[in-house]
Amino acid sequence: QQQVKQSPQSLIVQKGGISIINCAYENTAFDYFPWYQQFPGKGPALLIAIRPDVSEKKEGRFTISFNKSAKQFSLHIMDSQPGDSATYFCAADYGGATNKLIFGTGTLLAVQP
Amino acid sequence: DAGVIQSPRHEVTEMGQEVTLRCKPISGHNSLFWYRQTMMRGLELLIYFNNNVPIDDSGMPEDRFSAKMPNASFSTLKIQPSEPRDSAVYFCASSLRFSADTQYFGPGTRLTVL
Repeated sequence: QQQVKQSPQSLIVQKGGISIINCAYENTAFDYFPWYQQFPGKGPALLIAIRPDVSEKKEGRFTISFNKSAKQFSLHIMDSQPGDSATYFCAADYGGATNKLIFGTGTLLAVQP
Repeated sequence: DAGVIQSPRHEVTEMGQEVTLRCKPISGHNSLFWYRQTMMRGLELLIYFNNNVPIDDSGMPEDRFSAKMPNASFSTLKIQPSEPRDSAVYFCASSLRFSADTQYFGPGTRLTVL
């Protein structure tokens, strides 16, 4: 019940295209859903986050779509650029009592020029 | 701010040796986390502290692993004795608040146990 399932494992997108990464969870106690971006040789860094009281959050070219009934959320990267090439992790947190993140397995995104 | 600082950045050691990884969180942050990242298991939370107190160490794989946070600006993760399967990248992260807050990761320590 604590797992966060992420897909696809890897993704190749052409420059200017849309990258879509999906995550699903089981535990309805989760109430905070961040996405982290990791470049090679670096630690993960927060990209964007959402709470389940909204269905969508947009920050620049990055959008999280959240479907509470389906227990799914996704990251959309519009106008993908080669500089977006990185590993993306979704995560879930119980919030409230802890800051314990449960990470997905990661998606390696390659944006081809 | 310098961000989360970890040392060493790379560590190569032989099986059976003691390894100590160090972390300096961002000043003013109250929570500190230790993670391990491998290709096989992804990003795993090992232990986390709040106000220097260990809150959850359920992710620590074995008794060979121990972590301390003697003060708000320093934490260590120790492996004794080390084994080849401990080879991984170990990250330290800190956050300002205890719940549902941004975690700021350090650059990691790449550990290789021969």
